[in-house]
Amino acid sequence: DTAVSQTPKYLVTQMGNDKSIKCEQNLGHDTMYWYKQDSKKFLKIMFSYNNKELIINETVPNRFSPKSPDKAHLNLHINSLELGDSAVYFCASSQGLLLKTEAFFGQGTRLTVV
Amino acid sequence: QKEVEQNSGPLSVPEGAIASLNCTYSDRVSQSFFWYRQYSGKSPELIMSIYSNGDKEDGRFTAQLNKASQYVSLLIRDSQPSDSATYLCAVVRGSTLGRLYFGRGTQLTVWP
Repeated sequence: DTAVSQTPKYLVTQMGNDKSIKCEQNLGHDTMYWYKQDSKKFLKIMFSYNNKELIINETVPNRFSPKSPDKAHLNLHINSLELGDSAVYFCASSQGLLLKTEAFFGQGTRLTVV
Repeated sequence: QKEVEQNSGPLSVPEGAIASLNCTYSDRVSQSFFWYRQYSGKSPELIMSIYSNGDKEDGRFTAQLNKASQYVSLLIRDSQPSDSATYLCAVVRGSTLGRLYFGRGTQLTVWP
């Protein structure tokens, strides 16, 4: 029944590794997002896809690459992980671009790079 | 100037009191306004959305929007210990639809 689900919930990995986080939503929404929450709990957008098209690409290292195989899925691949990538990554979805619509978040993936 | 500013708190109120959380935003043409609640270690949970000036009530929660003052607030009536969490204000700018700008959150503690 989960609306926005992410896997894995926890990810511990060594510097230099490549890892992926997956996100799926069953709300029928057409827009999906990746947000990053840093150690100071500040939430900031990274990417957004609308109908499988990239519409927001914030200033993030190009080691981060999103992929949207269909409207219900948005994955995040991270190459050459660095210590500073440690954070909680949240997937979210909405119907439309938040003009009088709402975004719903997944449970988060806590990434720890050691 | 930050896009969205909130009193960082912490805000501490006794059970049964009214908790008042405030937020200001910088872009005058912002379109959509949200309050999320985030418990420690959990994801942001949408509590209220408001799109036009005035008040919007949902149970114990009331959101207030004043676009002229670029101000949005959340009132929690009859506060309960279970309301203890961080409350995040989020705004969507008219010029950048699809992008939520979050404040840094206000930590609320409701003591019995």
